[in-house]
Amino acid sequence: QSVLTQPPSVSGAPGQRVIISCTGSSSTTGAGQDVHWYQQLAGKAPTLLIYKNSQRPSGVPDRFSGSKSGTSASLAITGLQTDDEGQYHCQSYDSDLGTSVFGGGTKLTVL
Amino acid sequence: QVRLQQWGAGLLKPSETLSLTCAVSGGSFSGYHWNWIRQSPGKGLEWIGEINHRGSTSYNPSLKSRVAISILTPRSQFSLSLYSVTGDDTAIYYCARAQGAVVASAYFAPWGQGTLVTVSS
Repeated sequence: QSVLTQPPSVSGAPGQRVIISCTGSSSTTGAGQDVHWYQQLAGKAPTLLIYKNSQRPSGVPDRFSGSKSGTSASLAITGLQTDDEGQYHCQSYDSDLGTSVFGGGTKLTVL
Repeated sequence: QVRLQQWGAGLLKPSETLSLTCAVSGGSFSGYHWNWIRQSPGKGLEWIGEINHRGSTSYNPSLKSRVAISILTPRSQFSLSLYSVTGDDTAIYYCARAQGAVVASAYFAPWGQGTLVTVSS
């Protein structure tokens, strides 16, 4: 069981908006730790999508946005495209464990 | 642009040692923390451990007794050894560079291409 909780799957039609949640605890997101998001396309390694809750690396479209409030963080994807299909993972730091921790991943299906 | 290229044996028997190497090219090796992360079939990502350019390491407590990460200087490479593997260690293993000013705010980019390691008798 992952330290950070994500929904197993979400779906949306092309052009729509979806939100993926990531819920932590008092030792992770509730302790003020940053949340980062990764996109993993089929058969590929994860790539950084959002860092420090809401920052986009260069090259990431502004259709992708992140936010954090309290123990929860969210990744929003607007204008869904078929190329967005894949797994999305959140990551933070657990101050009790002293390690980076991940969510279980959310599979995005574009209908 | 920094690139991570990894390699190692993909099929092991229980009790053997997993050995993987990751080579860093196109950027500085110094000043960063270099990590190993794995992804078991159908499961999420698990952080294994890290090493900095000076050789200081930090490991996931759940694996600490069986893991060792080391630097292979001067070729900007680092390695992962996982001892006494079992079927639970079957996973895709990734190397990755950590970014961020402090460990608690670290995030990972870029990643290696991944190596599937299967443990089976």
